Amino acid sequence: EPEVTQTPSHQVTQMGQEVILRCVPISNHLYFYWYRQILGQKVEFLVSFYNNEISEKSEIFDDQFSVERPDGSNFTLKIRSTKLEDSAMYFCASNSGTSGRAETQYFGPGTRLLVL
Amino acid sequence: SQQGEEDPQALSIQEGENATMNCSYKTSINNLQWYRQNSGRGLVHLILIRSNEREKHSGRLRVTLDTSKKSSSLLITASRAADTASYFCATDSNTDKLIFGTGTRLQVFP
Repeated sequence: EPEVTQTPSHQVTQMGQEVILRCVPISNHLYFYWYRQILGQKVEFLVSFYNNEISEKSEIFDDQFSVERPDGSNFTLKIRSTKLEDSAMYFCASNSGTSGRAETQYFGPGTRLLVL
Repeated sequence: SQQGEEDPQALSIQEGENATMNCSYKTSINNLQWYRQNSGRGLVHLILIRSNEREKHSGRLRVTLDTSKKSSSLLITASRAADTASYFCATDSNTDKLIFGTGTRLQVFP
């Protein structure tokens, strides 16, 4: 069964460094998402991406964050200058969009980011 | 209450028993989805129920949706130790984002 994959599974970085989290959504899916989950807290929406542009973003997704679909398969989240509070599990998700947005979102296994 | 709140927060049962988790939300929705998360791992999609549906089954899972009460329940029948996980509801309100609840931690003892 097709699945969303994410790399790396774990990332440790120093405060102020840039990180890029990578995702390969399910092929032929049209909508892509990033969510994060701070340890012990809810899963929070960060951003959605459709037709090569951001379609919605949350307040969390400030100028330090950016997303890109550099080719036909990858979807990346970049944090330009990491802060301690960016430590979280980051999830990528995709859906097929065949019935608009109201479809099942399939999540990847996550990247655990630790900012020291 | 916040959009997507589950109760109970934690539930402990014996194998073979049924587990029921509830989710309440505040705004109108297109659909409601339930996900499972094993400790520190990814989110596994369990079931999606649309706003015009009242009940849905998938294997040992039964989901109900009451839009008049803005609530949903997830029933796991004949639970197994492998069902031990956190369970989240997530609502889609005709925007791009899913809004997740706080989750129910289910512990199934062998």
